[in-house]
Parts: sequence; structure tokens; C-alpha cells
Amino acid sequence: ETGVTQTPRHLVMGMTNKKSLKCEQHLGHNAMYWYKQSAKKPLELMFVYSLEERVENNSVPSRFSPECPNSSHLFLHLHTLQPEDSALYLCASSQGADLNTGELFFGEGSRLTVL
Amino acid sequence: GQNIDQPTEMTATEGAIVQINCTYQTSGFNGLFWYQQHAGEAPTFLSYNVLDGLEEKGRFSSFLSRSKGYSYLLLKELQMKDSASYLCAVIDSNYQLIWGAGTKLIIKP
Repeated sequence: ETGVTQTPRHLVMGMTNKKSLKCEQHLGHNAMYWYKQSAKKPLELMFVYSLEERVENNSVPSRFSPECPNSSHLFLHLHTLQPEDSALYLCASSQGADLNTGELFFGEGSRLTVL
Repeated sequence: GQNIDQPTEMTATEGAIVQINCTYQTSGFNGLFWYQQHAGEAPTFLSYNVLDGLEEKGRFSSFLSRSKGYSYLLLKELQMKDSASYLCAVIDSNYQLIWGAGTKLIIKP
């Protein structure tokens, strides 16, 4: 138990569906991250929020849309995805508002399959 | 470009010692992390090095040489539960976190 909870753990969707991934952290942290993890590839940073403000968007396609309604919750809205978007999506949080200055606490991920 | 290299897969025997290497070429350096990730689970923090030398934490130790752009994770008295992927990540001069692809460690009885 890392203090970061992701739902759903598994998701299968068609290319025309709309779905959302949810992340909740119970650690009182100030920064939250979305990462994409594909087999045998480095983690890819997608979005970062610090103090509920988006501070980084690593050129992610617009079919991925993040939302951070408060410091404890982070969503990733999915729309018109492609099969190559199939991956494990990891949420993480860190204590400080300054990014990447401390360890990351990860959720167990949402395994997404796009048909 | 920025790059982190780790072996893709390693195999070791229960009770033995294994060293997982990580070499990096980044624009600046502000620290290096090691994370452990069991299959289907969240990555969890193992160690952080910012100064040269060896940091020991129980059966696990992490070493850093900034001049060589090199780190290793040393696992002693291997147990079956150590079978996992081990991720190396470097903080560059812009405080971006650069990740390696991970090393899958297989422990055999």
C-alpha cells in the first residue's frame, strides 16, 4: 500500500469510447503525475500538476486530457484512443511542490487495452 | 540526447549477490533514484544517491560515480521475492526525471 490508489485496475475500450482513469493520493502531497509504461521502454511522463496547476505537458496527444480538481485527485480522460495507446498508466505523487526533488509514490496502475 | 542504459534482463541464484548497473548521459545531474517494481505492482522507492559513494540499506546497496556517469544497485543474500524489475532514474539540470527501461531480475532456486 503506497497511499496512491488508481481505478480501474484494468480497462478495455474501443477506439470510439470515452473513459476516465482516476487517481487518489492519501499522503497530503503537493504534486501528482501521470506516466505511461510500455513493455521494455522507459517510463514516459505525460502530465504533471503541482499545487493543482498543470506545470508540464510532454507533447501528449489531445486524445488524453488530464484533470486535477484538488490536490488529492487526478483524472485522465480518454477519447478516441488508438491501439498503440495500450499500456500501463501509472499515477504518482511527491511531497514537495518543486518537481522531482523527492521520491515518487506510485499507484499500481491502470492497464489499458484499446481494441 | 539524454540516455540511461541498464541491462534488459539478469538471472541470479537464491542466496547469491547480484549487481545491476546503470550508466547515464544527461544534461547535468541532481541525483539518481533506484525503484523496484514487482510484476503487476507499483514501483517503490529503493534508494537515492546524489554524492559519490556507496549507500547501504540492509541487503541492498547503491553506488554512484558522477565522474563516470555510473551507478549500480547491489543486492545481497538474494531471495525469491527479489524477482522484480529495477528502474534507474536520473534528475537532470532542469529537474527533469530521466528513466531507464528497467532491468528484469529473475531469481532461480
